[in-house]
Amino acid sequence: EVQLLESGGGLVQPGGSLRLSCAASGFTFSRFAMSWVRQAPGKGLEWVSAIGYNGGSTYYANFVKGRFTISRDNSKNTVYLQMNSLRAGDTAVYYCAKDTYSSSPFYFDYWGQGTLVTVSS
Amino acid sequence: DIQMTQSPSSLSASVGDRVTITCRASQGITNYLAWYQQKPGKVPKLLIYGASTLQSGVPSRFSGSGSGTDFTLTISSLQPEDVATYYCQKYGSGPQTFGQGTKVEIK
Repeated sequence: EVQLLESGGGLVQPGGSLRLSCAASGFTFSRFAMSWVRQAPGKGLEWVSAIGYNGGSTYYANFVKGRFTISRDNSKNTVYLQMNSLRAGDTAVYYCAKDTYSSSPFYFDYWGQGTLVTVSS
Repeated sequence: DIQMTQSPSSLSASVGDRVTITCRASQGITNYLAWYQQKPGKVPKLLIYGASTLQSGVPSRFSGSGSGTDFTLTISSLQPEDVATYYCQKYGSGPQTFGQGTKVEIK
């Protein structure tokens, strides 16, 4: 059974940083790209970032470029999202999603339960 | 970046009705389109990919069609368990973009 377990969310002040983690199990993690997708309270889905199967390729939405960094550790079956210079508009539930392709983001067949990030003073 | 526009933003229909949701891309995306269902308080679930291929385990009352810029998700006979928000997603090259969502309710 595929499982994706996010952690690292919480309350942070504007301008602060957080590091999200997503621990994966139930599939060959090193074969698939992984993405982060967020959902602000009461709003729709918004793709944030993706990383290829071996970490060699990374992709970002324009609104996070230069602030967020995605990485992965295939020995730990874990993908990370380092978030810096956080703004109120980054407040959302952040979902980890398993891609169906290896090298670049495609569509997502499994999603984690999400971790809530709240940016507020 | 390619924008995805869904219509309507919400709809109310009776059990057994045929329901159609439209998704339009600002540029052609061939068939690189997926549909997701998100029930209240739940995680999104993949329904359809490649514009028309049903994900394993998804009921056959769901179907997708279209290519290029215009796509459709159809529920042939609406069931109470279909109450959810439905999202289209463009994938492939460039940023992955979701539509704004269509909320489906029972009348």
